Amino acid sequence: EVQLVESGGGLVQPGGSLRLSCVASGFTFSSYEMNWVRQAPGKGLEWVSYITGSGSRIYYTDSLKGRFTISRDNAKNSLYLQMDSLRAEDTAIYYCARESAMGAALDSWGQGTLVIVSS
Amino acid sequence: EIVMTQSPATLSVSPGERATLSCRASQSVSSNLAWYQQKPGQAPRLLIFGASTRATGIPARFSGSGSGTEFTLTISSLQSEDFAVYYCQQYNNWPPVTFGGGTKVEI
Repeated sequence: EVQLVESGGGLVQPGGSLRLSCVASGFTFSSYEMNWVRQAPGKGLEWVSYITGSGSRIYYTDSLKGRFTISRDNAKNSLYLQMDSLRAEDTAIYYCARESAMGAALDSWGQGTLVIVSS
Repeated sequence: EIVMTQSPATLSVSPGERATLSCRASQSVSSNLAWYQQKPGQAPRLLIFGASTRATGIPARFSGSGSGTEFTLTISSLQSEDFAVYYCQQYNNWPPVTFGGGTKVEI
């Protein structure tokens, strides 16, 4: 069974940093492209970042302006999101999601981890 | 960036009825369109990819159609567990992948 388990969320002050983790199991992690998607309270889904299986190609949504860094450790079956210079508008549930082998639909999602940016 | 627009924002239906949800893209996305279901407090779940292919384990009452800029998700006979928010997502021109604003299906 495919499982994705996020951790690392919490309350952080504006300007602070957090590192989110997502541990994968039940599939060959290195063979899959992975994404981070976020959802602000009561709002819709917003794609955040993407990384290929090898980590060789990475993309971010433009609004982040270089504040977030996605990475992965295939030996640990883990995906990460380093979030710096956090702002109130980054408050959201952050989901890691696996990209389908048959295209860029997201076929498996973690339960999410809540990030609250507030003083 | 491709803008995805879903309508209606809220759809009120009774159990057993048919529900039709619409998604429009600001430019053609071919058939690179997915639908997700999200229940309160849960992560989204993939229902449909490639505009019309059901994901593993998705009941046959869910069907997707369309191509280019106009897409439809149909739930043929609503069950109690189908009341949720539904999102469309294009993955034709990315980055960025973009989602619609969602349609809430309520009783």
